[in-house]
Amino acid sequence: GNSVTQMEGPVTLSEEAFLTINCTYTATGYPSLFWYVQYPGEGLQLLLKATKADDKGSNKGFEATYRKETTSFHLEKGSVQVSDSAVYFCALSDHAGKSTFGDGTTLTVKP
Amino acid sequence: DVKVTQSSRYLVKRTGEKVFLECVQDMDHENMFWYRQDPGLGLRLIYFSYDVKMKEKGDIPEGYSVSREKKERFSLILESASTNQTSMYLCASSLFGTENEKLFFGSGTQLSVL
Repeated sequence: GNSVTQMEGPVTLSEEAFLTINCTYTATGYPSLFWYVQYPGEGLQLLLKATKADDKGSNKGFEATYRKETTSFHLEKGSVQVSDSAVYFCALSDHAGKSTFGDGTTLTVKP
Repeated sequence: DVKVTQSSRYLVKRTGEKVFLECVQDMDHENMFWYRQDPGLGLRLIYFSYDVKMKEKGDIPEGYSVSREKKERFSLILESASTNQTSMYLCASSLFGTENEKLFFGSGTQLSVL
């Protein structure tokens, strides 16, 4: 079956530091890949997505590139802010409508 | 603004009670999903539905059932609540079709079973 493995957390960074959260996946076929973010007390919301190999998704300064050869979709941001503190989930969709999520990585950014 | 609304933010129930969690979306989405979120386990799919009166088991359906009588509403039912069903429950919806796979989530219901 499909699976998503995320870098274990929690991750604590100082403001303006560089962020990387690793994500690798196992899937049959060519899934779409997603990063969702969950702010405290809220549901998940889509951060960015990529639908085919070598696509780069980007939003709010975050980026991730769909790497088919390494089955990875690592999330990066050049300079994090306190407001980026949240839980980040990597996910894939199998085109039949079902999504598989990683365990989530909690990011805390300190001033 | 698109919206997925879950009826309760917090719910406390007793062991053995029948529990209904309601979810309504206003986006005319075909697909609706129920997940539970537990620390260290991420999101796990309980049930999903591609259309009215249709339902499919997810990865952890045991102890749960669902109902979808109208397109906009998807209910999760705990027939006899148990303490191991204490969790955060998240409802989500999406459009049908490979270009529209992103999920829209509700704010979640934190269920405590005592």
